Amino acid sequence: DTEVTQTPKHLVMGMTNKKSLKCEQHMGHRAMYWYKQKAKKPPELMFVYSYEKLSINESVPSRFSPECPNSSLLNLHLHALQPEDSALYLCASTQALNEKLFFGSGTQLSVL
Amino acid sequence: AQSVTQPDIHITVSEGASLELRCNYSYGATPYLFWYVQSPGQGLQLLLKYFSGDTLVQGIKGFEAEFKRSQSSFNLRKPSVHWSDAAEYFCAVGLHQTGANNLFFGTGTRLTVIP
Repeated sequence: DTEVTQTPKHLVMGMTNKKSLKCEQHMGHRAMYWYKQKAKKPPELMFVYSYEKLSINESVPSRFSPECPNSSLLNLHLHALQPEDSALYLCASTQALNEKLFFGSGTQLSVL
Repeated sequence: AQSVTQPDIHITVSEGASLELRCNYSYGATPYLFWYVQSPGQGLQLLLKYFSGDTLVQGIKGFEAEFKRSQSSFNLRKPSVHWSDAAEYFCAVGLHQTGANNLFFGTGTRLTVIP
């Protein structure tokens, strides 16, 4: 299994909703990432978990809350989002420092 | 501070023609360099990477890239483009922080292939 699986593929939510994005990999990778990508822009790093501990938080607003319940799962909890948070949210994982990142196909999020 | 520059926002080539996508980086040490491709609404797929050694690296789908330290460049090439190569291409610099890879992406080059 060489895939990173993200669910849901599409999500529409209101500004008062609470939702979660999920990411799963069974490659034994010990680092997992959340990236945000606006239309026609490059991905921007949000969070990195290394060995299930949050190692990088790129000054992301608290309305985004990551969680890594175990080495295979990564969640992104969403609460009170703004319309400008609408974007493609990409999850990725990597085994070691010199290895490539495997990306999921993303969750396309629309905040109304 | 590190940065990645892709000077071409959009490139159009004819099917069967050769392709070169430019990438320049700014980083204090020898970086880890990557090229990723992204189809619309999809995640990113790694084409190739450079860490050390031979400066000409081969990737998937017939792509190659050459690392030129003197020019701080890592340009992507393909001798003959196929219609399926139409996509967005991102160059990225990899940094190692706290045991994880932190990729900084260029702004991307959109490739259009005409018949």
